[in-house]
Amino acid sequence: EVQVVESGGGLVQPGGSLRLSCAASDLTLSTYSMTWVRQAPGKGLEWISYISSSGGTINYADSVKGRFTISRDNAKNSLYLQMNSLRDEDTAVYHCARVRGTYGDVWGQGTTVTVSS
Amino acid sequence: QSVLTQPPSVSGAPGQRITISCTWSLSNIGPIYDIHWYQHLPGTAPKLLIYGNKWRPSGVPDRFSGSKSDTSASLAISGLQAEDEAEYYCQSYDSSVSRWVFGGGTKLTVL
Repeated sequence: EVQVVESGGGLVQPGGSLRLSCAASDLTLSTYSMTWVRQAPGKGLEWISYISSSGGTINYADSVKGRFTISRDNAKNSLYLQMNSLRDEDTAVYHCARVRGTYGDVWGQGTTVTVSS
Repeated sequence: QSVLTQPPSVSGAPGQRITISCTWSLSNIGPIYDIHWYQHLPGTAPKLLIYGNKWRPSGVPDRFSGSKSDTSASLAISGLQAEDEAEYYCQSYDSSVSRWVFGGGTKLTVL
């Protein structure tokens, strides 16, 4: 079964850093563009970042631009999200998804990030 | 405030048909691309229900259907079932700023 699995979430203090990973099963990530989407407690889905299959095109939401960095290691079949200067409002469940055109068709269950002192 | 506007909640009895709207203003978003719909229960993976305004991925029942006009889109669910109770999101792509946009989500309650 094609699936993606996120990891790397946890509890971090404001101003701290965390690196999320997204691994794929039965799926060669290098062939696809990928995206990160999050859901804060009590809120809806919020798009965070996009990376093309080659890594040549990268986009960020204004809320994370300059603090988060998306990357991929196609040799390891993995996607990453480096999160720096974390704020309380970054507390959320973070999902990765395979991109087809302008939508995501394979999503992970997410990994929880809690920013709190 | 979401660029795509959805009603916060809808409800219906088992067997009924409901629709969820997704609207936008052309003054708030550039040329809009296709609308896609997801079903989501917190703590689980979002599930793609409709892509390209009206197309269903393999495995999605034909009880789910989508449509789109110039400034609105709709998701219809017929023959409501208890398992349909979830949050539903519309999503598109704003090419003017190269970003994905989501609606605020609609909570469906099956009475």
